Formats: sequence, structure tokens, C-alpha cells
Amino acid sequence: DVKVTQSSRYLVKRTGEKVFLECVQDMDHENMFWYRQDPGLGLRLIYFSYDVKMKEKGDIPEGYSVSREKKERFSLILESASTNQTSMYLCASSLGGSLPYEQYFGPGTRLTVT
Amino acid sequence: TQLLEQSPQFLSIQEGENLTVYCNSSSVFSSLQWYRQEPGEGPVLLVTVVTGGEVKKLKRLTFQFGDARKDSSLHITAAQPGDTGLYLCAGASDTGNQFYFGTGTSLTVIP
Repeated sequence: DVKVTQSSRYLVKRTGEKVFLECVQDMDHENMFWYRQDPGLGLRLIYFSYDVKMKEKGDIPEGYSVSREKKERFSLILESASTNQTSMYLCASSLGGSLPYEQYFGPGTRLTVT
Repeated sequence: TQLLEQSPQFLSIQEGENLTVYCNSSSVFSSLQWYRQEPGEGPVLLVTVVTGGEVKKLKRLTFQFGDARKDSSLHITAAQPGDTGLYLCAGASDTGNQFYFGTGTSLTVIP
């Protein structure tokens, strides 16, 4: 059974703190993605990675960075958390290549920045 | 950014009714996917459509990709409480490995 796991379901941080969100997939997928989900805005892509140590900016990368040192793990980093980064964060993975493969999502991390 | 607008944003219907959700864009997509998300979970893929004009059926769900590959619709026949959830469309980029998600339609089916 395919699985994408995220390190925390709920997280509360203070403004200015450095925040790490971890995502692990066990499907040997090449592609991994970080999205944030806000009501009425759907899912917006923050960053994605198509290989180890490779990353591409999505639509809203400002205030975020990522790290992919191993194929199965993709980390999202908030260098200095701000209240406007309060959101649901979803990680996903998929096979690589140009075909529209299914994205498998984790359960999400609800981050609150106070 | 390629915007995908979904309508309606919210839909509340009685069990047994039919409904249609729309996904519209001014951009052309190489393919389009529909996902359903239940509370506390990540989205799960329902279908992928790749050809303009394509129609796919999944039990009571019918998906259509517009001829110009700019829009799509999801029709549910005889809705059931188990259909409750957030429905998201997602259009594929030219490279095929990046998807742009729609704004979402929250469906509630009342028993």
C-alpha cells in the first residue's frame, strides 16, 4: 500500500521561529511536491523536486525553502515563520517523466503561527 | 500561474439528487485530473482525462474534458452521503509533471 507520511498533523509555532516540515514516501517516486491549502484558493504549489538535490520553485516560494538529500524525503523549511504562513501544508509524490501520473498525498500538517 | 476556477464553491444537496461541478480556465492543459479530499486527509485521485472531448465514467461519476482542453466537468448521479468531500480539479503543465489545482468545490450530501 502506497504511503506518504508527514512528520506532524498539527503544529503551533511563534512568529520568527524556524519551522521544519518533513515528508517521507515509500514508493520510490522521483517527484515530490509541497503545497499549501487555504479555503477558496485550492492547493498552491510551493516547491517541487524531480530528483535528489534538485528543486524547482512553484507558484508561491517566497518565505520557504526545501531540501531533498534522499529520494524518499522532502523537507519544507520556513526560515522565519510569519502569521500569514498559517495554513494546511500538503506533501505529495508521483512517478517521474512527462506522463500525468497520480499524485499521492500525505494527510497534511496544519500549521498555526502565533 | 495558470488559474483554474471551480464552480460552485459550495454545494449542499439531498441524497438522491444529481449535481454538476465545473472547472474552467483560459489556459490549455495537456491533461486534467479530478481529486476528492475528505476532512483530515489528503486528496485522492478519481480520474485523469487526456483527450479533448473525452468522457470517463466511474460508477455514478461522469467526467468530461472540454474539446479545447480548457475546461472540465464532473457530474454525479443520485448523490450519496459518501460523496461528501472537497472536489479538486488539476490541470497538467506542458511538461506533464506539474499540476495547477483549482479552487475547489465543497460538496455536502444530506441523508
